[in-house]
Amino acid sequence: DADVTQTPRNRITKTGKRIMLECSQTKGHDRMYWYRQDPGLGLRLIYYSFDVKDINKGEISDGYSVSRQAQAKFSLSLESAIPNQTALYFCATSGGWEETQYFGPGTRLLVL
Amino acid sequence: SQQGEEDPQALSIQEGENATMNCSYKTSINNLQWYRQNSGRGLVHLILIRSNEREKHSGRLRVTLDTSKKSSSLLITASRAADTASYFCATDGSTGNQFYFGTGTSLTVIP
Repeated sequence: DADVTQTPRNRITKTGKRIMLECSQTKGHDRMYWYRQDPGLGLRLIYYSFDVKDINKGEISDGYSVSRQAQAKFSLSLESAIPNQTALYFCATSGGWEETQYFGPGTRLLVL
Repeated sequence: SQQGEEDPQALSIQEGENATMNCSYKTSINNLQWYRQNSGRGLVHLILIRSNEREKHSGRLRVTLDTSKKSSSLLITASRAADTASYFCATDGSTGNQFYFGTGTSLTVIP
């Protein structure tokens, strides 16, 4: 969905490196989410934010941090990447009365 | 974990046949949603059913919900090769603040 963009789309990094994944949306939504997807495990919620001043941990927040720089921007950081953080990462948004989530195209991360 | 499960994990059918996939979840919900994912791409919302609804239709999609059994099913009628994708259910859990996705059903429709 072009309304939700993620950068980079692919990233290879080494163990111990700090990396940041970025998400931007033009939908005007207040709620933003970060998920990771692993084969056979579906999507799991890492962090979510209901507005710029609201950040909440999801199911698997250990090893991750986030920043909501503006209503339209939500970044995910891996402070010290480890190989088991290799996964497909998705940003999603939702807004107003609508409960539907709109997903970005994903960032494929490989930690060596 | 409040993550749900889809069944079957994989399903292969001929074009024109119907495809049924099931979702089981663990907690009370306000609503349940189904999403579709083409290989390696973002998820796309298909349909939402509220906890006080038992059945909902959208085009070739039919969703049922049984809150007493904590289960839902998605039926795709007259399947097409373009329906080949993974399908996930998602529930909003007991608080309604988080979404919990199932493990997905991989559907292959053979032309």
